[in-house]
Amino acid sequence: ETGVTQTPRHLVMGMTNKKSLKCEQHLGHNAMYWYKQSAKKPLELMFVYSLEERVENNSVPSRFSPECPNSSHLFLHLHTLQPEDSALYLCASSQDSTYEQYFGPGTRLTVT
Amino acid sequence: ILNVEQSPQSLHVQEGDSTNFTCSFPSSNFYALHWYRWETAKSPEALFVMTLNGDEKKKGRISATLNTKEGYSYLYIKGSQPEDSATYLCAFAGLDSNYQLIWGAGTKLIIKP
Repeated sequence: ETGVTQTPRHLVMGMTNKKSLKCEQHLGHNAMYWYKQSAKKPLELMFVYSLEERVENNSVPSRFSPECPNSSHLFLHLHTLQPEDSALYLCASSQDSTYEQYFGPGTRLTVT
Repeated sequence: ILNVEQSPQSLHVQEGDSTNFTCSFPSSNFYALHWYRWETAKSPEALFVMTLNGDEKKKGRISATLNTKEGYSYLYIKGSQPEDSATYLCAFAGLDSNYQLIWGAGTKLIIKP
């Protein structure tokens, strides 16, 4: 039990759909992250929030839209995705930038 | 462009043998080096966060060393067990990283019984 939960665990969506991924951390951490993991590639950081403020946005396409309503919850809103967006999306949290990150189980996304 | 390289990409080790693998990272603007273990169907789990040149960390049969001047870290596993089978990831944080870890692609370790 890592203290970071993600829902749903699996998602299949068409290119015209709108869906959201949810992440919740129960660790009292100040920072939360969205990562994308594609086959045979390193983890790619998408977004970072610290104390509910967005810190990093690594040139992620606008079809991905994050939301951090409070320090325990993080969402990733998806719309008009492309098949190449199919990947494992991982959420993580940390106390601050100097500490290890705690990961959720991920959402396996397939875009058809 | 900052790169973090891990080698080998995959490794098969006989149960009971010891093994090690490498993470190479930029030697300038170093802040921290993280090691994670990622077992199949589970979440990545932090093993070590290393910040000082010459640092050595140990957790059970797993240990890591750090050389920030030359930009490498070794992860050692002593007396490999089947439960050590996983992908081992390292991640580099620079002084100006602003929360961003740069990740290696990982070393996939398979322990043969």
